Amino acid sequence: NAGVMQNPRHLVRRRGQEARLRCSPMKGHSHVYWYRQLPEEGLKFMVYLQKENIIDESGMPKERFSAEFPKEGPSILRIQQVVRGDSAAYFCASSLPGQGAIGSNNEQFFGPGTRLTVL
Amino acid sequence: TQLLEQSPQFLSIQEGENLTVYCNSSSVFSSLQWYRQEPGEGPVLLVTVVTGGEVKKLKRLTFQFGDARKDSSLHITAAQPGDTGLYLCAGGRNFGNEKLTFGTGTRLTIIP
Repeated sequence: NAGVMQNPRHLVRRRGQEARLRCSPMKGHSHVYWYRQLPEEGLKFMVYLQKENIIDESGMPKERFSAEFPKEGPSILRIQQVVRGDSAAYFCASSLPGQGAIGSNNEQFFGPGTRLTVL
Repeated sequence: TQLLEQSPQFLSIQEGENLTVYCNSSSVFSSLQWYRQEPGEGPVLLVTVVTGGEVKKLKRLTFQFGDARKDSSLHITAAQPGDTGLYLCAGGRNFGNEKLTFGTGTRLTIIP
């Protein structure tokens, strides 16, 4: 059973270009999360999506960043007009649908990440 | 903002020694996960604890969730070079699908 897949693994962009990061969840997982890890910092939540729905985008910068998880195909994190401060590792995680009850914690499994470098 | 503070931030010990890593918060979490991350890779889930006072063992690793569900510890017995890595705790609030709040991380190095 394949794990969470992300591509590309490395992405280099010049300032002002667009970056598109893709994430395919584990088989059977319908929930996707995006996190960002800045150099020498911990992982920070960005957005949580289900198929065709954004559930929680409280960690997403208000401008230039968007995410989608269409009915078919991978989840995509899109960064427009990248700046040097966007350079980071972006991780996607997936989980099974939750039940919201004690003992039903739905663990998140992470992909290998996409390392974005903005020149 | 919920914060999870891990200590120590860096730890370097000799192979065969024991160690404990701590994860502390002033907030209550419904669940807490421990991950290990290798350079250039994503975090790998080690364990999930959900009940206050819960203890889980994974070979030489022992994980404990505090009674008040505000803190956790990871104890490694007889550390081996393969234990080297970045250890991250992460807390959830709603027993289900939700964002995780990650700790500040403990970078562990085991010297052969």
